Amino acid sequence: SQQGEEDPQALSIQEGENATMNCSYKTSINNLQWYRQNSGRGLVHLILIRSNEREKHSGRLRVTLDTSKKSSSLLITASRAADTASYFCATDAFSEGGGNKLTFGTGTQLKVEL
Amino acid sequence: DTGVSQDPRHKITKRGQNVTFRCDPISEHNRLYWYRQTLGQGPEFLTYFQNEAQLEKSRLLSDRFSAERPKGSFSTLEIQRTEQGDSAMYLCASRPTGARTEAFFGQGTRLTVV
Repeated sequence: SQQGEEDPQALSIQEGENATMNCSYKTSINNLQWYRQNSGRGLVHLILIRSNEREKHSGRLRVTLDTSKKSSSLLITASRAADTASYFCATDAFSEGGGNKLTFGTGTQLKVEL
Repeated sequence: DTGVSQDPRHKITKRGQNVTFRCDPISEHNRLYWYRQTLGQGPEFLTYFQNEAQLEKSRLLSDRFSAERPKGSFSTLEIQRTEQGDSAMYLCASRPTGARTEAFFGQGTRLTVV
């Protein structure tokens, strides 16, 4: 099962432009995380935002979280061709069996062209 | 290499055969997750271990799927009587203890059922 829906499904931009991806989710969360996946590879963690935070920055990444709307956005500024990848949001929530379950969204495929 | 290791990287099997995949997490991580990913989709949650205890298993998961984590170290995922619909990338991730921690993913095992 997947917790989040991401929008857009695909995004194509020119190098130097900003890229914005949105994520909506359904249940209460402890935190929300964003991951990146290059084609055919494993996922790599980018940034984590806690449920009591509204905005967080890391290098060229900016993440916002609105728990009242159950949504988050990831902004990549001054994009580079090397940013071409799929990006996924993941919600961290208490599992019904105990512990923390990490559930992923459907992803946004970003293509940055030279 | 001290990252998450998955074996094999690729597996081709005939329909009806059983397959087993192995995941070696980062040694001090007590939490381990299995996901399945098909082309163009986000990782779909399969199951989750905290130490050796399997805390949650996806309700969508057929009883042909079983996972173990003996002694809270490596984990195995077995699929019995494989079907063509089982063809996917199987991803393993581990996380350390703590409410605000990232997951570390292996490179995945790509299964093709012919």
